[in-house]
This record gives sequence, C-alpha cells and structure tokens, in this order.
Amino acid sequence: DQQVKQNSPSLSVQEGRISILNCDYTNSMFDYFLWYKKYPAEGPTFLISISSIKDKNEDGRFTVFLNKSAKHLSLHIVPSQPGDSAVYFCAASASEGAGSYQLTFGKGTKLSVIP
Amino acid sequence: EAQVTQNPRYLITVTGKKLTVTCSQNMNHEYMSWYRQDPGLGLRQIYYSMNVEVTDKGDVPEGYKVSRKEKRNFPLILESPSPNQTSLYFCASSLWGPQGYEQYFGPGTRLTVT
Repeated sequence: DQQVKQNSPSLSVQEGRISILNCDYTNSMFDYFLWYKKYPAEGPTFLISISSIKDKNEDGRFTVFLNKSAKHLSLHIVPSQPGDSAVYFCAASASEGAGSYQLTFGKGTKLSVIP
Repeated sequence: EAQVTQNPRYLITVTGKKLTVTCSQNMNHEYMSWYRQDPGLGLRQIYYSMNVEVTDKGDVPEGYKVSRKEKRNFPLILESPSPNQTSLYFCASSLWGPQGYEQYFGPGTRLTVT
C-alpha cells in the first residue's frame, strides 16, 4: 500500500514559468513533510519541509503548500530555472508520539525545465 | 567537510556471497538510515537507527541486516544476496529523527547481484 503518492512521473515546464509538483498521502498519522531533490549520480538533497501545524512554508523560489483535509501537498517553484531539472521526491513522517521514526518517500517526479 | 560516505560506490557480486556496504558520517548525527532506489518505485527505507544499538525496520527490511555499534557508522549487510537486491543504495543521517530534521544523503552504492 503506497502511503505517499506522486502521481505524475514527469513534468515539463518552460524556463521562467511556475512548476507545480503534487503529492498525496493516505496515512493520517503523517504530520511532517519534506521535499528532496535528486540529480543523476548524486544522493538526494533536502529542499524544503513543512509541519502539519502550518499550511505554507516558503524558501526563496520554493514554496510548499499543505492541505491536511485533502491529505495533499504541493511544491511550487517560481520562476523555474534549467538547473531545477531533477527528480523531486516527497517524503512524510509521523509524529514522534506515534513511536515510529520511519520516513516514507513517494516515487518521485522528474522535472524538466526547458530553456 | 560535513559528509556521509559510502563504500564501495559500485559492486558486482554473485548470488549468495555475503557483502557489506559501509556508511560513515562525521556530523555526530543520532539518526542514520538506509534506502534503496529502484526504477518506478522511488526511495524505500530499509532500516533506520535512532542511536547506538537502536535499530528498527523500514518498509523493505527482508534480506538485509544492519548494526550500529558506533555512532558514526551504520553498515548494511547482505548475508546472502539475491538478484532482486540489485539496486542503488543510499545511506543518510540526520541530527535526530525525520520529524523536523533534514537528512543528509551519501553518494550512493550501485549494487548488481548476478
């Protein structure tokens, strides 16, 4: 059972436009969410995160939105740049009170930013 | 330089021959974890460790063992590798658990089991 879903395997966007990457989750115990970016032949690198007590977190060109009732989050990149071309992974974890320190990832979305 | 190192980076082996992939971090992190990445399946957690001598299963622990005898090291052991363990493996560490702390990933180990 896939608890974190990224339903779009790939996305192409023109340079300068907005990229929107989506992520859905099914486990209601998840309360902390992260986005990682991965270039080929490298390990993933942390991009941005959000706690369930917030509905938005912003860091420069990157903004993550969380809709708890819909169990949906999205990553917005504005403006998109060719260097943003990578695979983006959504990840989620439950609260420490749940007794688990597991981190669950989605399958990833490959973003291609076209110059 | 703060980093997570993995060795070897590439490994080709045969079915049943025990192997160990080492992972080391120099950031004094409490939390360490192993993942495998497969096409169409994304990243899946194999095992994680909250501290020395404290380990727990992730999503796909079958066929793997880990140990955490020292804070900086978290080796992944395949006692009897099989072809379905052919994958790209990542080790990661963070200051504490995933609730609130970003993980730092190693460069990956590409394992092929024939």
